Amino acid sequence: DVKVTQSSRYLVKRTGEKVFLECVQDMDHENMFWYRQDPGLGLRLIYFSYDVKMKEKGDIPEGYSVSREKKERFSLILESASTNQTSMYLCASRGDEKLFFGSGTQLSVL
Amino acid sequence: DQQVKQNSPSLSVQEGRISILNCDYTNSMFDYFLWYKKYPAEGPTFLISISSIKDKNEDGRFTVFLNKSAKHLSLHIVPSQPGDSAVYFCAASVGFYGNKLVFGAGTILRVKS
Repeated sequence: DVKVTQSSRYLVKRTGEKVFLECVQDMDHENMFWYRQDPGLGLRLIYFSYDVKMKEKGDIPEGYSVSREKKERFSLILESASTNQTSMYLCASRGDEKLFFGSGTQLSVL
Repeated sequence: DQQVKQNSPSLSVQEGRISILNCDYTNSMFDYFLWYKKYPAEGPTFLISISSIKDKNEDGRFTVFLNKSAKHLSLHIVPSQPGDSAVYFCAASVGFYGNKLVFGAGTILRVKS
């Protein structure tokens, strides 16, 4: 079974802090993704990566950056957290033309 | 501007009956469609997909119908079971290998026993 692991289930951070969300997949997938899920808006793509050190902006990249130094690991970085970044963050990797998601990180920015 | 719309935030169905979840899209370039199911405290899991060359795809109790002229797809669950209670997301992409999956807002399905 594909396993996508997100390092934290819940995070509480203060406005202005730098925040790192980590994601690891164990299936040697080339493509990895970060989404955020908000009520009434569904899942929106922040960034994705199609190879090590390769990244592409999704639909809502403002305020975020990403890092992919190793194939199995894809990190989402909030350079200076703001309250409007309070959300559920979902990491995914792609295989067999479908996405496999982690359990999500609920981030609260106070 | 939401390109994929699920206009029903929630749906309640009796166990054993049919559940019909609807999804509309606006981008005529979309040609691959998927449904994901999400339980609380878990990530979404893939349920079923359909490409635009088909108008129906079936997998056990789940059937997806695609009406390209209406830009509409629906997911039918027959018979519905209490374990089907979850949030269902419709998603679409351009191309089978499209990296940019666009998701709808989701529909909460409650199956009552």
